[in-house]
Amino acid sequence: QSALTQPASVSGSPGQSITISCTGTSSDVGSYNLVSWYQQQSGKAPKLIIYEVNKRPSGVSNRFSGSKSGNTASLTISGLQAEDEADYYCCSYVYGSTVVFGGGTKLTVL
Amino acid sequence: EVQLVESGGGLVKPGGSLRVSCAAFGLTFSRYTLNWVRQAPGKGLEWVSSISTSSRFIYYTDSVKGRFTISRDNAKNSLSLQMSGLRAEDTAVYYCVREGLSGSSFDYWGQGILVTVSS
Repeated sequence: QSALTQPASVSGSPGQSITISCTGTSSDVGSYNLVSWYQQQSGKAPKLIIYEVNKRPSGVSNRFSGSKSGNTASLTISGLQAEDEADYYCCSYVYGSTVVFGGGTKLTVL
Repeated sequence: EVQLVESGGGLVKPGGSLRVSCAAFGLTFSRYTLNWVRQAPGKGLEWVSSISTSSRFIYYTDSVKGRFTISRDNAKNSLSLQMSGLRAEDTAVYYCVREGLSGSSFDYWGQGILVTVSS
């Protein structure tokens, strides 16, 4: 199972919006609304920020939103803040009851 | 508060074996599917294995099939990963992870435990 494809890095200035893409195939992202996103700050464990494509867990800022079109899912962060600087990973259920992560995207807040 | 606490990591020689464990607190342990996810130094996340509530359904990523065995003890609120035939590429931080009840995401993570495979 190949990893989902994410850009290696994105950047934005405070207050701006950025979008991170996550491209899979018809066997994973394209077939299931079971895409999740994780934020990992330096030296810490990942944190769930989006599940089932566009749902936010309790306590996660509404500046984070998710969407999906075909085989590509996206994470948008609006009103960028310095604290958003982190690595972001997408994840999808795969036919056969396994899971695949994206390669990760490093977000830099300029 | 949900807490997942890993233990048992360390340095092991190639071809050797190691068992990592996870103690769970603050949750009804038997209700949740549990997973191991690993992260090699400076690399991304990789799902390793999952085990269903009653241990009936167990899955592994291809690279560890036949070498790793996941198990759980619902009476002791514990999860384990027995690793054998270890390779340098198994070097990683191993996270114990709870799968949410909707079955689609990983909602709680342990702090991780480092496993280093080196001669």
